Amino acid sequence: DTEVTQTPKHLVMGMTNKKSLKCEQHMGHRAMYWYKQKAKKPPELMFVYSYEKLSINESVPSRFSPECPNSSLLNLHLHALQPEDSALYLCASSHRDRQRNTEAFFGQGTRLTVV
Amino acid sequence: AQTVTQSQPEMSVQEAETVTLSCTYDTSESDYYLFWYKQPPSRQMILVIRQEAYKQQNATENRFSVNFQKAAKSFSLKISDSQLGDAAMYFCAYRSQYSGGGADGLTFGKGTHLIIQP
Repeated sequence: DTEVTQTPKHLVMGMTNKKSLKCEQHMGHRAMYWYKQKAKKPPELMFVYSYEKLSINESVPSRFSPECPNSSLLNLHLHALQPEDSALYLCASSHRDRQRNTEAFFGQGTRLTVV
Repeated sequence: AQTVTQSQPEMSVQEAETVTLSCTYDTSESDYYLFWYKQPPSRQMILVIRQEAYKQQNATENRFSVNFQKAAKSFSLKISDSQLGDAAMYFCAYRSQYSGGGADGLTFGKGTHLIIQP
């Protein structure tokens, strides 16, 4: 199984809503990532979890709240978003140890629209 | 901080021809990984090829090969016998070698949009 599964695939939410994006992998990867991608731009790193602990927060606004309940799951909780937060949100995972530190596997993304 | 530069916003090639996409990067590290990812209109990021910096041999994967010049900090992708399914946005990406600090997210270039002419 080399899949990273993200749900939902599409999400439309109002600025006062609270929603969550979910990501799951069963490859035994101990690093998981959230990226944000605007149209015609490269992905931008938001958060990195290493062994279920938040290791990188790239100065992301607090209206985005990540959570890693266990080694297979990664959530991104959304609250009071702005229209400019509309984007494709990509989850990825990879190994962490030196001998197996290779590529990141990406999910298909959640296309988020904030209205 | 590392930077990745892709100087070709768009490239066009005839089907069955060969095309080379350019990528340069800047880093002070000696150990790292370089990747080419493909993103078709479906937006799924798909790994095309990877290169470990400590390996001198250029990576190849079927029709895809790289020209890795470590001293010049250059990492170009060659696609041979281009096919219609190769049409996509191609991103060059850099990743630090694992150091225990957790600072190992991917740094992407701006991408090159590859068009395949039938």
